[in-house]
Amino acid sequence: GNSVTQMEGPVTLSEEAFLTINCTYTATGYPSLFWYVQYPGEGLQLLLKATKADDKGSNKGFEATYRKETTSFHLEKGSVQVSDSAVYFCALGEESGGSYIPTFGRGTSLIVHP
Amino acid sequence: GAVVSQHPSRVICKSGTSVKIECRSLDFQATTMFWYRQFPKQSLMLMATSNEGSKATYEQGVEKDKFLINHASLTLSTLTVTSAHPEDSSFYICSSRAPPLNIQYFGAGTRLSVL
Repeated sequence: GNSVTQMEGPVTLSEEAFLTINCTYTATGYPSLFWYVQYPGEGLQLLLKATKADDKGSNKGFEATYRKETTSFHLEKGSVQVSDSAVYFCALGEESGGSYIPTFGRGTSLIVHP
Repeated sequence: GAVVSQHPSRVICKSGTSVKIECRSLDFQATTMFWYRQFPKQSLMLMATSNEGSKATYEQGVEKDKFLINHASLTLSTLTVTSAHPEDSSFYICSSRAPPLNIQYFGAGTRLSVL
């Protein structure tokens, strides 16, 4: 079956540091890959996605590249801000007709200090 | 602003009692809602798919008599944890797809602690 493994947090960084949150997946088909973010007190929000191999999803300075050869979708940002402090979930999903039910990882908490 | 409202955000209850969690879609009608659960340091797992006007579809290993789901209207789904026990303590999240693009929106989650 499908599964997602992401690095255990919390990840603690200083403002303007480089961020990497690792995510690898196991899938039987050719899923789309997603990163969701959950800010304190809010629901999960889709941050970015990639639908096929070598695609790069990007949003708000974050980016992730769909690497089929390493079954990975690592999240990166060149310079984090305090406002990026949140929990980040990697997910995969088989899309059908524009819909999917994502399979999530455990989430990685990011804490950014001023 | 939030398009899916989940209530309560946190609940503490005694063992043996039942707890109801509400999930409302704001500004759109949701024929399908999803309920997830996350135990500490584990993945966010789909529990069940809630369909308006019909029975919910439960994932393997989820007890339907334990976790009662009611989706009586197009804007409200409820999850009732019956006779809760400490092992039911978890983080519960609902979500719904908003037409026409079927973008999935999530509630902020409910932290259930059973003493």
